[in-house]
Amino acid sequence: AQSVTQPDIHITVSEGASLELRCNYSYGATPYLFWYVQSPGQGLQLLLKYFSGDTLVQGIKGFEAEFKRSQSSFNLRKPSVHWSDAAEYFCAVGPGGGNKLTFGTGTQLKVEL
Amino acid sequence: NAGVTQTPKFRVLKTGQSMTLLCAQDMNHEYMYWYRQDPGMGLRLIHYSVGEGTTAKGEVPDGYNVSRLKKQNFLLGLESAAPSQTSVYFCASSSQGTAQETQYFGPGTRLLVL
Repeated sequence: AQSVTQPDIHITVSEGASLELRCNYSYGATPYLFWYVQSPGQGLQLLLKYFSGDTLVQGIKGFEAEFKRSQSSFNLRKPSVHWSDAAEYFCAVGPGGGNKLTFGTGTQLKVEL
Repeated sequence: NAGVTQTPKFRVLKTGQSMTLLCAQDMNHEYMYWYRQDPGMGLRLIHYSVGEGTTAKGEVPDGYNVSRLKKQNFLLGLESAAPSQTSVYFCASSSQGTAQETQYFGPGTRLLVL
């Protein structure tokens, strides 16, 4: 069965500092991997996705993620965090039957000014 | 193009009451999903549909029913609400075919069961 682990429940960074959010997955074949962001009171918005090819993928809002098959990881990074990046971030893996995705439990990001 | 919309945005129920949550999408997507989000547990799939007239159980289907009578709509029903069903409910949709397609989410419905 597929699964996703986000080991950090909360992360606090200072504005302008770099960010890395961790994601580890379990999947029987080549996975499709996603990062979504959820601002308070909002739905989920796709940041980026990996299907194949270049293991470093670029997303919106200056985020990037690197797929490392040997480590079963898909960590999200940003070189310089902005206060508006404060949100909850979810990693997801698929596909399951019916295009199902399995989500991690999320990482809450706080940005200190 | 509104994307995925959900009705209502917020609802308070008493234990034992019933209600239906409506999800609508205008992207002609085949696949639709209902999730619940609870603190510390991420999103868990309740039910999903791979096309009009079809439904299937997800990870946490007990206490919920769904219907997909029209391609653009996916209804989630609670026949007898329980406090354990207090949650935020999200609907999502994706297009048919390759599993690469992104799921697009609605804004959510906050449900409080007293």
